[in-house]
Amino acid sequence: AQSVTQLGSHVSVSEGALVLLRCNYSSSVPPYLFWYVQYPNQGLQLLLKYTTGATLVKGINGFEAEFKKSETSFHLTKPSAHMSDAAEYFCAVSSGGSNYKLTFGKGTLLTVNP
Amino acid sequence: DAGVTQSPTHLIKTRGQQVTLRCSPKSGHDTVSWYQQALGQGPQFIFQYYEEEERQRGNFPDRFSGHQFPNYSSELNVNALLLGDSALYLCASSLAGGLYEQYFGPGTRLTVT
Repeated sequence: AQSVTQLGSHVSVSEGALVLLRCNYSSSVPPYLFWYVQYPNQGLQLLLKYTTGATLVKGINGFEAEFKKSETSFHLTKPSAHMSDAAEYFCAVSSGGSNYKLTFGKGTLLTVNP
Repeated sequence: DAGVTQSPTHLIKTRGQQVTLRCSPKSGHDTVSWYQQALGQGPQFIFQYYEEEERQRGNFPDRFSGHQFPNYSSELNVNALLLGDSALYLCASSLAGGLYEQYFGPGTRLTVT
């Protein structure tokens, strides 16, 4: 079975501050991990993914995430928040093989204050 | 390059009715997955279609059914609608041989009254 826990349903930062969104996963096999962003009244956009290889993954819009197997974590960071980063962020896991589905966390709403 | 498209954008139905939602995958993709996103929640996997067959199914009742056409587009059908079926329904497309990376459409907002 696979699952995702996102710590903090709401994170608020000031413009220019560090963004840190936390994600812990559970998977019985080496996972594929994803971060998606959802703007109001829109679908999900893929920010970045980890499959194999380098554990520090860079994505779009200046975001990056680090896969830490020992901590079963895949936290999302961005050095300097922009107002346009305000959105809902979802971490997702897939265990691969014949399990094709993505299992999502409940999401973290990021607000950016001027 | 056309992304994933879904229709309709919004839909209002009455309890007990049936509804059909449609999805066209991203160009070049052959696999379609459907997700239900209730308000304030993350998306929940309904099922995935590949080669016109249901390849995997999530924990949803048989009232939820689907179809994939030879051009890879897909439909989601929900029978005997319940108030709890009100949600955003998301379609995602991917490549069968890809690393499970799924591209999402804008969704269909279904309201059941």
